[in-house]
This record gives sequence, C-alpha cells and structure tokens, in this order.
Amino acid sequence: ETGVTQSPTHLIKTRGQQVTLRCSSQSGHNTVSWYQQALGQGPQFIFQYYREEENGRGNFPPRFSGLQFPNYSSELNVNALELDDSALYLCASSLAGTSSTDTQYFGPGTRLTVL
Amino acid sequence: QQQVKQSPQSLIVQKGGISIINCAYENTAFDYFPWYQQFPGKGPALLIAIRPDVSEKKEGRFTISFNKSAKQFSLHIMDSQPGDSATYFCAARGAGNMLTFGGGTRLMVKP
Repeated sequence: ETGVTQSPTHLIKTRGQQVTLRCSSQSGHNTVSWYQQALGQGPQFIFQYYREEENGRGNFPPRFSGLQFPNYSSELNVNALELDDSALYLCASSLAGTSSTDTQYFGPGTRLTVL
Repeated sequence: QQQVKQSPQSLIVQKGGISIINCAYENTAFDYFPWYQQFPGKGPALLIAIRPDVSEKKEGRFTISFNKSAKQFSLHIMDSQPGDSATYFCAARGAGNMLTFGGGTRLMVKP
C-alpha cells in the first residue's frame, strides 16, 4: 500500500510570488484534503477535493485554490504569497463513500517559507 | 474561533507514568474525534479515534475517554515511553469531513 506523498519537501518563495504544491493520495483513496500548519499550532483546514470538485472549504481567501486530477492526486496553488503563508502544508487522503471515510491519512508535508 | 481547545500545551512525564491530554469542543455537530501524533518534520499520524456514542476506547497503551454531556474528551497514554515523546493533537470532524484540530500538546517522556 502506497502512503500519501507530497512534493516538494521544502520551498522558499518571496512575497507576491505564486506557488504550487503537489500531493499523491494513498492507493485506493478518492478524497484529498489540504491543511496549513503554522509553527507551533494545529493544522487548519483549507479545502477538500472529491471527484475533482471542491467539496468543502475553510476560512482561507480565494488566492488559495486547488485541483484534483482523475488519478486523485491534487495540487494546492497559492497566489500573491504573503509572509504569513509561511507554514507546513499538509495533504490528507481518505476514502469517501464507506465507513473508512472517517480516517484521514496525512503526508509528510511541504515546508513553505515566504521571504 | 477556536472550536477545539486542548490542554496542557506541554507535558513532562517520567518513563512508565501516565500521560493525560484533554480536549474540549463547542460544536455539537462534530461526529468523530481522532487523536494524531506528530514527530518533528513529519505529518500527523492517526493514533486512535472515537465516535460520540462510545464513552471509552482502548487500543494498546492508548485510551480515549469521551464525555458527550460535558463536550470533553481525553487521551491517556499508559506506561509512557521515551519513544512517545512527540506532539499530540486532538481533532473533531464536522461537516464535509473537515477536521478541526486542537492547538497541540508537546509531550516529553523522561527516561
């Protein structure tokens, strides 16, 4: 069974730039959720994708956007980067439509630093 | 608005002792309560989870106690080991399978 993978591991950008983060879901999973984890805090829900459609969104501005592909992998795009966007970005996959929906499995994250 | 409050922020326990972490929530629509363990540089890993119709769940050294009327739940780690030293997060699932996390507890188990 292949776990959740994310790329890149680390990324450094400057204010105003745009960034794309990538996630491959665990084998057999069809739902991907993205979270932002600031240093020393718990993860904050950004949004979730199911069947290539956004299926729920947290309190994040529209400059945070995403995609899900037919193979269930996903991208998180952030435009007009701000210093406060510096965080660990986590992707979690799960299987919707069964009792296993309960469990979200997290990837190792992408550490984004905005200078 | 922080919907899940976690305490303490940090905890030091001797090897073999019991670690207890508490969480309280506000939203009665939450329907699933997982605990995650996170090591530095890693993503959160699911430890144990409970539904609100159950008052206690035990898996190995880890036990969740759940008090629905008080809207509180806690994680007990029995026979704590140095390898348990990590940050622990409680979470609650709401609409759209969205997890709301507590602020985390940094646990250190001294040998």
